[in-house]
Amino acid sequence: GDSVTQMEGPVTLSEEAFLTINCTYTATGYPSLFWYVQYPGEGLQLLLKATKADDKGSNKGFEATYRKETTSFHLEKGSVQVSDSAVYFCALKWGTSYDKVIFGPGTSLSVIP
Amino acid sequence: ETGVTQTPRHLVMGMTNKKSLKCEQHLGHNAMYWYKQSAKKPLELMFVYSLEERVENNSVPSRFSPECPNSSHLFLHLHTLQPEDSALYLCASSPYRGANVLTFGAGSRLTVL
Repeated sequence: GDSVTQMEGPVTLSEEAFLTINCTYTATGYPSLFWYVQYPGEGLQLLLKATKADDKGSNKGFEATYRKETTSFHLEKGSVQVSDSAVYFCALKWGTSYDKVIFGPGTSLSVIP
Repeated sequence: ETGVTQTPRHLVMGMTNKKSLKCEQHLGHNAMYWYKQSAKKPLELMFVYSLEERVENNSVPSRFSPECPNSSHLFLHLHTLQPEDSALYLCASSPYRGANVLTFGAGSRLTVL
């Protein structure tokens, strides 16, 4: 069945370091792909999305490109801040005919000053 | 108040208690969801409501009983729970069933003793 795999955390980085969180998916076809972020004590928030191959989603300095050849949607940011400390979830979803969003297990990021 | 609001934020209950979780959204959305977030596991979709009608029940035990009296409110009634039901229960909403983007509440942290 469909699934999403993320790199295991926790990830600890110094402020201004480069961030990559790997995400790969298994699905038959081309679903929409998402990154959600969960800050401490809060619910998940949509960070960015891409709905077709080669699309790049971006928001708040984060980027991810939908790569169908490698079935990947890696999250990147050039310079992380302490305020980026959170749990990041990669997810996929089929079109509007389906309710289910399949989430990865989440990757915890801690950014230290 | 805007967004998705969940109460209580924390709940401790015994295995024989009956309690309820409440979710409220003021976004004008027509679909609402319950998710379960357990440590080191992907988010699990429990229930989907569309226009107050339950449209999906992902093999959830009957000790969890959802209720959607109107499109702005969603409840999760709990009775005779097990310790393994301890988790963060997240409510989400979307403009319509199957919409790509979900708006989540901050969650209700449940501990079953």
